[in-house]
Amino acid sequence: GENVEQHPSTLSVQEGDSAVIKCTYSDSASNYFPWYKQELGKRPQLIIDIRSNVGEKKDQRIAVTLNKTAKHFSLHITETQPEDSAVYFCAASIDPGGGADGLTFGKGTHLIIQP
Amino acid sequence: KAGVTQTPRYLIKTRGQQVTLSCSPISGHRSVSWYQQTPGQGLQFLFEYFSETQRNKGNFPGRFSGRQFSNSRSEMNVSTLELGDSALYLCASSVRDRVRDEQYFGPGTRLTVT
Repeated sequence: GENVEQHPSTLSVQEGDSAVIKCTYSDSASNYFPWYKQELGKRPQLIIDIRSNVGEKKDQRIAVTLNKTAKHFSLHITETQPEDSAVYFCAASIDPGGGADGLTFGKGTHLIIQP
Repeated sequence: KAGVTQTPRYLIKTRGQQVTLSCSPISGHRSVSWYQQTPGQGLQFLFEYFSETQRNKGNFPGRFSGRQFSNSRSEMNVSTLELGDSALYLCASSVRDRVRDEQYFGPGTRLTVT
């Protein structure tokens, strides 16, 4: 089955700096890659996603890049703010149109924004 | 529109008992997935239901089962509870079509097995 590795497990950056979280996946059939943000005591919340027919997607301060050849994808947060502090999870799955599969999650990255 | 709801929110059970958790998806969503979240293992996929049929299943023992009703509400059952089943159980309501493929998580049920 799919295996998703996520690094780093903890990331501390100064407010205003950029943060990058990286994930690799093992199943070349995976074609949907969402990122979730989970604040303490709350549910995971989808913040951005990318499909394998796209190399990059951006939404304001958040961007995701995908390298299908290398089987890795990354989350980029620019101009970090205190409210960005949370645990971020990457995930991978196969589009249900080609065969249903549940999301396989990375272990999470605890992002700490230092004031 | 109303979000995904899960009941109960908190539950304490003893080893050997069984438990049933409920999830009501967003109106119009036909797919419900269940996940187990623990500090050690992270988020792990349990199973997915679509139109009352289990469409996919993760690597959990047969003690974990589920079902979906005609109104898309879903339940999961864990029999013969073990201490290691203590976790946050999340369900997710899915929209999947040619344009979107996304999930909205419910608030979770915190299960403690003693």
